[in-house]
This record gives sequence, C-alpha cells and structure tokens, in this order.
Amino acid sequence: LAKTTQPISMDSYEGQEVNITCSHNNIATNDYITWYQQFPSQGPRFIIQGYKTKVTNEVASLFIPADRKSSTLSLPRVSLSDTAVYYCLVGSTNNNAGNMLTFGGGTRLMVKP
Amino acid sequence: KAGVTQTPRYLIKTRGQQVTLSCSPISGHRSVSWYQQTPGQGLQFLFEYFSETQRNKGNFPGRFSGRQFSNSRSEMNVSTLELGDSALYLCASSFGYSYNEQFFGPGTRLTVL
Repeated sequence: LAKTTQPISMDSYEGQEVNITCSHNNIATNDYITWYQQFPSQGPRFIIQGYKTKVTNEVASLFIPADRKSSTLSLPRVSLSDTAVYYCLVGSTNNNAGNMLTFGGGTRLMVKP
Repeated sequence: KAGVTQTPRYLIKTRGQQVTLSCSPISGHRSVSWYQQTPGQGLQFLFEYFSETQRNKGNFPGRFSGRQFSNSRSEMNVSTLELGDSALYLCASSFGYSYNEQFFGPGTRLTVL
C-alpha cells in the first residue's frame, strides 16, 4: 500500500505559480497518481491524474519523474479562489487486488493578495 | 447530469445508537466509495463497492458496514456509535473502479453525543 507524504501547508501570492510535491516511495507498478482539491465543507474535487512523465489540463500540470517515487502538482498563476487543501492520492489499477486508495495528509494552500 | 447526493446532510446521535447513511451516485456510475474525514485523521478510506460487491475495505472496525443496491445506490451503517465516530462521511462515485476520477458528494456530518 503506497503511502504518500505532502507538505502540511504552503503560502503563495496571487499570480504566482505553485508547485506542491508528493512523495510516494513505495508506489506500485499499477498505481496511478491523482490530485484532488477540497474547499471547506465540500467534498474533494478531481484535478488531474497521471501515470508517468507530464500531464496537463486546463487547470494544472502534473510532473512525474521516471522513478515515480514522487509527483509535483503545478498550479499556474494562482488566485485567491485556489486557497484550499490539495490531496495526493495513489491508487491501484490491479483489479484483482481491489483499489485501496490512500489519501495523503493534504497540503493546505493559502493564496494571499 | 445530477451530482452525487447524500442523505441526510446532518445527523446527531447518541453513543450506542446506530446510524445509516445513504448515497446516490451519478447516473451510470457503478463504483461507490465511502470515506471518513476528521480533523485529526484526515480523509480515510472506508470501503468501495462495485456492482453490489465490496471490492476493498479500509482499516475500520466491523461496526462500519455498507452495501450497494442493484441501482448502484449505497448505504453505510455504523452500529454502536462512539464519540470518535463524529466526522464528515463522504461518498464518491466513479464510472469504473475508484482509482478513476471520483465525484464526491457534499457529505453527511455526523455528530455523536
């Protein structure tokens, strides 16, 4: 079961790029890496998912090095509304073993004006 | 398309009672996962159901149980409530297995007195 480690909190300013790194040293071959965003009193919301190298969508990029022992979520030009908790999640595609999803502790991002 | 709905949204119970929470996934989604969120422990995986079968279970005591119906709706039950069961219970649905993009409901806030 891949355990994830993230920084507890980060501060940034509006307009800056924010990079949040997640460590998952014992990630398995079949595991995907997924990031979620959560606002207070709401359920988490999917941001991005990847397996290796780089994935980009309209809101974020995900960088995964060759050894896949870590991943970095990159948020370009953050705004105040990006203030939230960001979770790194490692999940298995091994259908026989079932999916044991592990949420990291989450990173509380505070964007300041 | 309607999102994931959870009922009730708020619940107050006393120690020793039991409680049943309900989750209606997005139409067409076959996987439903349940999570417990507390300030101290963060987001913890409870269990996942896919096509009425429990695929995996997190590290929770047997007091926590669930089931999924043929229409993919799911219920979770907690018996003999303890004070420590006070939490936000989140349900998430996905089209495939839970490592895919999950859509979370607003949660049920359970308070045990």
